[in-house]
Amino acid sequence: KQEVTQIPAALSVPEGENLVLNCSFTDSAIYNLQWFRQDPGKGLTSLLLIQSSQREQTSGRLNASLDKSSGRSTLYIAASQPGDSATYLCAVSNNAGNMLTFGGGTRLMVKP
Amino acid sequence: NAGVMQNPRHLVRRRGQEARLRCSPMKGHSHVYWYRQLPEEGLKFMVYLQKENIIDESGMPKERFSAEFPKEGPSILRIQQVVRGDSAAYFCASSPLDRSPYGYTFGSGTRLTVV
Repeated sequence: KQEVTQIPAALSVPEGENLVLNCSFTDSAIYNLQWFRQDPGKGLTSLLLIQSSQREQTSGRLNASLDKSSGRSTLYIAASQPGDSATYLCAVSNNAGNMLTFGGGTRLMVKP
Repeated sequence: NAGVMQNPRHLVRRRGQEARLRCSPMKGHSHVYWYRQLPEEGLKFMVYLQKENIIDESGMPKERFSAEFPKEGPSILRIQQVVRGDSAAYFCASSPLDRSPYGYTFGSGTRLTVV
Protein backbone atom coordinates (compact mmCIF):
# COMPACT_ATOMS: atom_id res chain seq x y z
CA LYS A 1 0.00 0.00 0.00
CA GLN A 2 1.40 3.35 -1.04
CA GLU A 3 2.16 5.83 1.74
CA VAL A 4 3.16 9.44 1.16
CA THR A 5 4.88 11.55 3.80
CA GLN A 6 5.59 15.25 3.70
CA ILE A 7 8.17 17.01 5.82
CA PRO A 8 8.00 19.45 7.45
CA ALA A 9 4.35 19.53 8.46
CA ALA A 10 4.56 23.29 8.98
CA LEU A 11 7.05 25.96 8.04
CA SER A 12 7.24 29.67 8.83
CA VAL A 13 9.82 31.81 7.06
CA PRO A 14 10.49 35.49 6.37
CA GLU A 15 9.76 36.82 2.94
CA GLY A 16 12.50 36.33 0.37
CA GLU A 17 13.82 32.98 1.56
CA ASN A 18 14.30 30.04 -0.75
CA LEU A 19 12.40 26.97 0.47
CA VAL A 20 12.51 23.23 0.03
CA LEU A 21 9.47 21.08 0.76
CA ASN A 22 9.97 17.34 0.90
CA CYS A 23 7.79 14.45 -0.15
CA SER A 24 8.59 10.75 0.16
CA PHE A 25 6.63 7.72 -1.02
CA THR A 26 7.04 4.04 -0.19
CA ASP A 27 6.20 2.40 -3.53
CA SER A 28 8.43 3.57 -6.39
CA ALA A 29 6.11 2.13 -9.04
CA ILE A 30 4.41 5.45 -9.68
CA TYR A 31 2.84 6.76 -12.86
CA ASN A 32 3.29 10.42 -12.04
CA LEU A 33 3.57 12.83 -9.13
CA GLN A 34 1.64 16.05 -8.74
CA TRP A 35 2.18 19.01 -6.42
CA PHE A 36 -0.88 21.01 -5.39
CA ARG A 37 -1.53 24.16 -3.44
CA GLN A 38 -4.53 24.47 -1.13
CA ASP A 39 -5.58 27.76 0.41
CA PRO A 40 -7.68 27.67 3.60
CA GLY A 41 -11.25 26.65 2.85
CA LYS A 42 -10.50 26.36 -0.86
CA GLY A 43 -9.93 23.68 -3.45
CA LEU A 44 -6.71 22.29 -4.86
CA THR A 45 -4.70 24.11 -7.48
CA SER A 46 -2.28 22.01 -9.51
CA LEU A 47 1.23 23.45 -9.49
CA LEU A 48 3.46 20.93 -11.20
CA LEU A 49 3.10 17.45 -12.67
CA ILE A 50 6.12 15.17 -13.08
CA GLN A 51 5.84 12.00 -15.13
CA SER A 52 7.67 8.96 -13.76
CA SER A 53 10.21 9.22 -16.60
CA GLN A 54 11.05 12.84 -15.80
CA ARG A 55 13.42 14.22 -13.20
CA GLU A 56 12.11 17.74 -12.78
CA GLN A 57 9.58 20.35 -13.83
CA THR A 58 9.71 24.12 -13.50
CA SER A 59 7.07 26.82 -13.45
CA GLY A 60 8.10 30.34 -12.58
CA ARG A 61 9.60 30.37 -9.10
CA LEU A 62 8.68 26.72 -8.54
CA ASN A 63 10.84 23.72 -9.33
CA ALA A 64 9.90 20.14 -8.54
CA SER A 65 12.31 17.25 -8.74
CA LEU A 66 11.65 13.52 -8.71
CA ASP A 67 13.95 10.69 -7.70
CA LYS A 68 11.73 7.70 -8.29
CA SER A 69 14.24 5.06 -7.21
CA SER A 70 14.66 6.61 -3.78
CA GLY A 71 10.97 7.51 -3.48
CA ARG A 72 11.48 11.24 -3.09
CA SER A 73 10.33 14.52 -4.55
CA THR A 74 11.16 18.05 -3.55
CA LEU A 75 9.37 21.30 -4.29
CA TYR A 76 11.70 24.27 -4.39
CA ILE A 77 10.20 27.74 -4.00
CA ALA A 78 12.53 30.60 -4.86
CA ALA A 79 12.30 34.05 -3.31
CA SER A 80 9.21 33.27 -1.24
CA GLN A 81 6.41 35.84 -0.96
CA PRO A 82 3.54 36.25 1.52
CA GLY A 83 1.18 35.19 -1.26
CA ASP A 84 2.87 31.78 -1.25
CA SER A 85 1.34 31.09 2.17
CA ALA A 86 -0.81 27.98 1.78
CA THR A 87 -0.74 24.24 2.31
CA TYR A 88 1.30 22.34 -0.27
CA LEU A 89 0.24 18.80 -1.07
CA CYS A 90 2.17 16.08 -2.82
CA ALA A 91 0.24 13.26 -4.49
CA VAL A 92 1.33 10.17 -6.40
CA SER A 93 -0.57 8.16 -8.97
CA ASN A 94 0.36 4.48 -9.02
CA ASN A 95 0.73 2.25 -12.04
CA ALA A 96 -1.59 -0.19 -10.32
CA GLY A 97 -4.54 2.13 -10.02
CA ASN A 98 -6.10 5.43 -10.87
CA MET A 99 -6.34 7.03 -7.51
CA LEU A 100 -4.01 9.63 -6.09
CA THR A 101 -2.40 9.01 -2.72
CA PHE A 102 -1.82 12.28 -0.90
CA GLY A 103 0.69 13.30 1.70
CA GLY A 104 -0.44 15.15 4.78
CA GLY A 105 0.77 18.47 3.39
CA THR A 106 3.18 21.18 4.44
CA ARG A 107 1.52 24.29 5.86
CA LEU A 108 3.66 27.25 4.75
CA MET A 109 3.55 30.73 6.24
CA VAL A 110 5.66 33.44 4.61
CA LYS A 111 5.91 36.51 6.83
CA PRO A 112 6.30 40.00 5.34
CA ASN B 1 -13.82 26.00 -19.93
CA ALA B 2 -15.38 26.29 -16.51
CA GLY B 3 -13.23 23.62 -14.91
CA VAL B 4 -14.57 21.04 -12.49
CA MET B 5 -17.76 22.38 -10.94
CA GLN B 6 -18.99 21.21 -7.57
CA ASN B 7 -22.16 22.26 -5.83
CA PRO B 8 -23.22 23.19 -3.38
CA ARG B 9 -20.08 24.82 -1.96
CA HIS B 10 -21.44 24.48 1.57
CA LEU B 11 -24.06 22.06 2.83
CA VAL B 12 -25.52 21.80 6.29
CA ARG B 13 -27.50 18.73 7.24
CA ARG B 14 -29.02 17.50 10.47
CA ARG B 15 -28.12 14.05 11.69
CA GLY B 16 -30.15 11.43 9.87
CA GLN B 17 -30.77 13.50 6.74
CA GLU B 18 -29.43 12.77 3.30
CA ALA B 19 -26.66 14.73 1.59
CA ARG B 20 -26.30 14.88 -2.19
CA LEU B 21 -23.11 16.34 -3.59
CA ARG B 22 -22.79 17.08 -7.29
CA CYS B 23 -19.77 17.22 -9.57
CA SER B 24 -19.63 18.24 -13.21
CA PRO B 25 -16.27 17.29 -14.76
CA MET B 26 -14.33 19.46 -17.14
CA LYS B 27 -15.59 19.43 -20.69
CA GLY B 28 -14.24 16.39 -22.48
CA HIS B 29 -13.39 14.54 -19.25
CA SER B 30 -15.18 11.26 -18.75
CA HIS B 31 -13.38 10.09 -15.59
CA VAL B 32 -14.45 11.34 -12.18
CA TYR B 33 -12.86 10.75 -8.78
CA TRP B 34 -14.17 11.63 -5.32
CA TYR B 35 -11.92 12.39 -2.34
CA ARG B 36 -12.71 13.25 1.25
CA GLN B 37 -10.74 15.55 3.52
CA LEU B 38 -11.63 15.13 7.16
CA PRO B 39 -10.75 18.01 9.53
CA GLU B 40 -7.00 18.16 10.13
CA GLU B 41 -6.44 15.11 7.91
CA GLY B 42 -5.18 14.53 4.40
CA LEU B 43 -7.25 13.79 1.34
CA LYS B 44 -8.36 10.20 0.98
CA PHE B 45 -9.59 8.52 -2.20
CA MET B 46 -13.19 7.36 -2.12
CA VAL B 47 -14.37 6.27 -5.57
CA TYR B 48 -13.50 6.39 -9.27
CA LEU B 49 -16.24 6.43 -11.90
CA GLN B 50 -16.62 6.56 -15.63
CA LYS B 51 -19.92 7.25 -17.33
CA GLU B 52 -22.46 4.76 -15.98
CA ASN B 53 -19.75 2.64 -14.35
CA ILE B 54 -18.10 2.46 -10.96
CA ILE B 55 -14.50 1.45 -11.62
CA ASP B 56 -13.00 1.48 -8.13
CA GLU B 57 -14.90 2.08 -4.89
CA SER B 58 -12.25 0.72 -2.56
CA GLY B 59 -12.22 3.94 -0.50
CA MET B 60 -15.96 4.19 0.03
CA PRO B 61 -17.41 3.43 3.46
CA LYS B 62 -19.40 0.22 3.21
CA GLU B 63 -22.68 1.71 4.39
CA ARG B 64 -24.64 4.88 3.71
CA PHE B 65 -22.36 6.12 0.91
CA SER B 66 -23.02 5.68 -2.79
CA ALA B 67 -21.88 7.33 -6.02
CA GLU B 68 -23.07 7.47 -9.57
CA PHE B 69 -22.08 9.08 -12.84
CA PRO B 70 -25.05 8.82 -15.21
CA LYS B 71 -24.89 9.04 -18.96
CA GLU B 72 -26.31 12.55 -18.75
CA GLY B 73 -25.71 15.00 -15.94
CA PRO B 74 -23.24 15.36 -13.11
CA SER B 75 -21.71 12.75 -10.87
CA ILE B 76 -23.52 12.45 -7.54
CA LEU B 77 -22.06 11.43 -4.20
CA ARG B 78 -24.90 10.48 -1.89
CA ILE B 79 -24.63 10.09 1.86
CA GLN B 80 -27.67 8.67 3.60
CA GLN B 81 -28.50 9.17 7.28
CA VAL B 82 -25.57 11.51 7.86
CA VAL B 83 -23.69 11.48 11.16
CA ARG B 84 -21.38 14.08 12.70
CA GLY B 85 -18.34 12.11 11.54
CA ASP B 86 -19.35 12.72 7.91
CA SER B 87 -18.53 16.42 8.34
CA ALA B 88 -15.69 17.01 5.91
CA ALA B 89 -14.71 18.61 2.64
CA TYR B 90 -15.55 16.45 -0.35
CA PHE B 91 -13.55 17.06 -3.50
CA CYS B 92 -14.15 15.87 -7.01
CA ALA B 93 -11.48 15.54 -9.68
CA SER B 94 -11.70 14.70 -13.34
CA SER B 95 -9.37 13.55 -16.10
CA PRO B 96 -9.73 12.84 -19.81
CA LEU B 97 -8.20 9.38 -19.49
CA ASP B 98 -7.59 6.80 -16.83
CA ARG B 99 -4.08 7.08 -15.38
CA SER B 100 -4.02 10.48 -16.95
CA PRO B 101 -0.64 11.73 -18.13
CA TYR B 102 -2.10 15.21 -17.74
CA GLY B 103 -2.78 14.83 -14.05
CA TYR B 104 -6.04 15.58 -12.36
CA THR B 105 -8.08 18.77 -12.09
CA PHE B 106 -9.93 19.33 -8.86
CA GLY B 107 -13.09 21.23 -8.07
CA SER B 108 -13.43 23.70 -5.20
CA GLY B 109 -15.09 21.12 -3.00
CA THR B 110 -18.30 20.81 -1.00
CA ARG B 111 -17.98 21.41 2.70
CA LEU B 112 -20.50 19.29 4.54
CA THR B 113 -21.39 20.15 8.09
CA VAL B 114 -23.62 17.77 10.05
CA VAL B 115 -25.33 19.35 13.04
